[in-house]
Amino acid sequence: ETGVTQSPTHLIKTRGQQVTLRCSSQSGHNTVSWYQQALGQGPQFIFQYYREEENGRGNFPPRFSGLQFPNYSSELNVNALELDDSALYLCASSEAGVRETQYFGPGTRLLVL
Amino acid sequence: GENVEQHPSTLSVQEGDSAVIKCTYSDSASNYFPWYKQELGKRPQLIIDIRSNVGEKKDQRIAVTLNKTAKHFSLHITETQPEDSAVYFCAASNSGGSNYKLTFGKGTLLTVNP
Repeated sequence: ETGVTQSPTHLIKTRGQQVTLRCSSQSGHNTVSWYQQALGQGPQFIFQYYREEENGRGNFPPRFSGLQFPNYSSELNVNALELDDSALYLCASSEAGVRETQYFGPGTRLLVL
Repeated sequence: GENVEQHPSTLSVQEGDSAVIKCTYSDSASNYFPWYKQELGKRPQLIIDIRSNVGEKKDQRIAVTLNKTAKHFSLHITETQPEDSAVYFCAASNSGGSNYKLTFGKGTLLTVNP
């Protein structure tokens, strides 16, 4: 059984650029949730994807968007990057029936200069 | 929306002692409470969880208790070891809601001194 994987591990961008982060869910899991973790803080919910549709969004602007693919992998896209977007981006996968039980990937650390 | 408060923010114990971390939540509809351990530079790892129909759950040296009336839950680690040193996060979720988002506390840095 393969765990949750994310790519890339690290990324440096400049303000105003766009970025795409990728997540492969754990085998058998059909739900992917994305979280932003600022330094020294707990993860904050961005949105969740289930059956290729957004299923709930946290308090993040529309320039944060996502996709889920038929194989349940997912992408997080952030447009018009701001300095405050610098953070660890975590995805978590879960299976149908227990979608609240979430297993995290290693994260992508994004630095915006 | 849900708000989760976690205390203390830092906790230092001697090896072999017990450690207790406490969380309170605001939304009475929350019914699922996981705890995650995050070592430096690593992913949050689910270590134990509890649902609202249960008051206590144990797994070897760790246990979680839940008081629904008071809206608080706690993580108990007994016989602490240096490898228990990490940041611990509590979270809450309403598994009957429209989505299954986790709302996290701000974390507790646990240091176990040999």
